[in-house]
Amino acid sequence: EIVLTQSPGTLSLSPGERATLSCRASQSVNTKLAWHQQKPGQSPRLLIYDASFRATGIPDRFSGSGSATDFSLIISRLEPEDFAVYYCQQYYNSLITFGQGTRLEIK
Amino acid sequence: EVQLVESGGGLVTPGGSLRLSCAASGFTFGTYSMNWVRQAPGKGLEWVASMTSVSGYKYYADSVRGRFTISRDNAENSLYLQMDSLRAEDTAVYYCAREEDGYKPIDFWGQGTLVTVSS
Repeated sequence: EIVLTQSPGTLSLSPGERATLSCRASQSVNTKLAWHQQKPGQSPRLLIYDASFRATGIPDRFSGSGSATDFSLIISRLEPEDFAVYYCQQYYNSLITFGQGTRLEIK
Repeated sequence: EVQLVESGGGLVTPGGSLRLSCAASGFTFGTYSMNWVRQAPGKGLEWVASMTSVSGYKYYADSVRGRFTISRDNAENSLYLQMDSLRAEDTAVYYCAREEDGYKPIDFWGQGTLVTVSS
């Protein structure tokens, strides 16, 4: 099983600031890494796939980078609606795994 | 419009069984792999099982292998999860989620159905 470790567990920032979230894989997943956003009471939503490609309708303030074992999700200027929980997901093999999540909260 | 609508959740006693369903619409169901992902109250996402589109290969998380069975009916655009020998730790919201075949990300999620295992 490929273990994904996200950091930090919680990130406290203000609107307008830049957020950097990290995801580290226990073995290489090439670029088979996605990021999902989940707001309270809602289902998750795909933001980024193949490490750096934005899903349809995702604003360009969201960007992803990385390969092999180290990945980042960057939100360039936080909007009020961006405060949520973010999960990374690997699909390098048939046994999908998720990170434990990073909670992005308003400071 | 893509839709995934789960049903079948509810309260069940430990050791009992439950069958979840997911009705798909707005896309060609038979060309997508499908997944079940769960989320225990206040916790993160845990992948449960997946099934490929045409070949019908099935994959399971260690935590449910031997107790849960995933199946699908492409003619009815439906996905199922038969859950047997349920335990308290299976309590969660269960999401149906689609992905394109061939090592692609989950790209759409249903709204989820709550399963509570308690005496």
